[in-house]
Amino acid sequence: QKEVEQNSGPLSVPEGAIASLNCTYSDRGSQSFFWYRQYSGKSPELIMFIYSNGDKEDGRFTAQLNKASQYVSLLIRDSQPSDSATYLCAVNIGVNSGYALNFGKGTSLLVTP
Amino acid sequence: GAVVSQHPSWVICKSGTSVKIECRSLDFQATTMFWYRQFPKQSLMLMATSNEGSKATYEQGVEKDKFLINHASLTLSTLTVTSAHPEDSSFYICSAERTGSPNYGYTFGSGTRLTVV
Repeated sequence: QKEVEQNSGPLSVPEGAIASLNCTYSDRGSQSFFWYRQYSGKSPELIMFIYSNGDKEDGRFTAQLNKASQYVSLLIRDSQPSDSATYLCAVNIGVNSGYALNFGKGTSLLVTP
Repeated sequence: GAVVSQHPSWVICKSGTSVKIECRSLDFQATTMFWYRQFPKQSLMLMATSNEGSKATYEQGVEKDKFLINHASLTLSTLTVTSAHPEDSSFYICSAERTGSPNYGYTFGSGTRLTVV
C-alpha cells in the first residue's frame, strides 16, 4: 500500500504568520507532487505542483521537496483567514498520462484573525 | 483554463434506485478520467480510472457491477451508482487529465454529493 501521510491537525496560526504543512510519502518511485486546497463541501483546487528537489515559489506559497527524505511541504506566508481550509498532499508515481493521484488525508488549517 | 463540468452537484435518491453522474471536459480532450469518492473527514479515494473507448480499471474493493463507468468520448465520462444503498452516500468527484499535457494537467469537477435514503 503506497501511503501519503499528513498530520490531520487542526493547525492554527494567527493572521499574517507562516503556516507550514508537511507530507511524507512511502513510494520512492513517486515523480510529482501536488498541493490542493479543499474548502468544506467543495472539490479540491490546485495550489502548486513540484517535480524537482528544492523549493518552488508562487506568490505567498512555497513548496519544498526532498526526495531523499520522501518529504514535501507547503509554506503559506502572510496567512489570511481565507486560507482556512483542508490542504491535501497528492503524489503521482508517473510522469506520463494515465496515472491517478494518491492523496493524503489532509491537514486542516485555521487562520485566526 | 481547463474546466471540468460535473452534474448533478447534489442528488438524493431512494435506496435501490440508480443514479448517474456526468463529467464533461469543456475546453479540452480528456483521454483519461479518474473517479474518486470522499467520505466525511476522509481523503479522496480513487475508485476507478476510465480511458476513452475502453473498459474502466477499478481499484481493489470497488465493485465494477455496482459503479458503472462509461467513457464513450474524449469529453464525457459517466459514473452510474446502481442499486444505491445508504452506505453509498458520499461525495463523488471526477478528475480529468488533459491529453498531451504533463501530469500537472489534472482538473477536478465540482463534485456530486449523493445521499441515499
